[in-house]
Amino acid sequence: QVQLVQSGSEVKKSGSSVRVSCKTPGDTFTTYAINWVRQAPGQGLEWMGGIIPLFRTTNYAQKFQGRVTITADKSTSTAYMELNSLRFEDTAVYYCARSYSDHEAGDYYYYRMDVWGQGTTVTVSS
Amino acid sequence: EIVLTQSPGTLSLSPGERATLSCRASQSVSNNYLAWYQHKPGQAPRLLIYGASSRATGIPDKYSGSGSGTDFTLTISRLEPEDFAEYYCQQYGRSQGITFGGGTKVEIK
Repeated sequence: QVQLVQSGSEVKKSGSSVRVSCKTPGDTFTTYAINWVRQAPGQGLEWMGGIIPLFRTTNYAQKFQGRVTITADKSTSTAYMELNSLRFEDTAVYYCARSYSDHEAGDYYYYRMDVWGQGTTVTVSS
Repeated sequence: EIVLTQSPGTLSLSPGERATLSCRASQSVSNNYLAWYQHKPGQAPRLLIYGASSRATGIPDKYSGSGSGTDFTLTISRLEPEDFAEYYCQQYGRSQGITFGGGTKVEIK
């Protein structure tokens, strides 16, 4: 059974940064993109962005542009999501999820997310 | 950006009943790139349906998806205790347009 394994819970101060890791099976980056999705308390799911290691590209939702950085370390098959300038509203559970991807005419495509990590709780305090 | 509106917000049903969840898009969803996920507290979301009507690997046939264009439906034919959860639709495809609906909670009546 394919598993994505995320790092543990974090408690951070407002204004600081957090980095969440997502360990994937060895061959994941040759075929799949890694997405990052979050769920704040009482809220729905929200796509933050993704990385397609095969195309060496990252894509971010407009809401998080400039504040989030997604990277992938091919040597360890681990993806990372770093969120800066943390605010109380960033308190959430953060998930990584794999998806197929594609590239066409300058656009990058992320398809259905079929395997997810277990989630990482990030709590932002003042 | 396409906005997905799910209804109802909460569905109160008894085990054995049929659940019908709606997802309406503000614009037509290209290629029917519409997925449904089940999400339970403390667990990761689980892919149920993709391409509007294709069941994901290992998903029982009590779950079915239908629709095209702007109107999509997830049906659970006979609710079992493990089906009571939150359900989200999602539009996927171009990176600038990946969005989720607000969710429908299916609760025990």
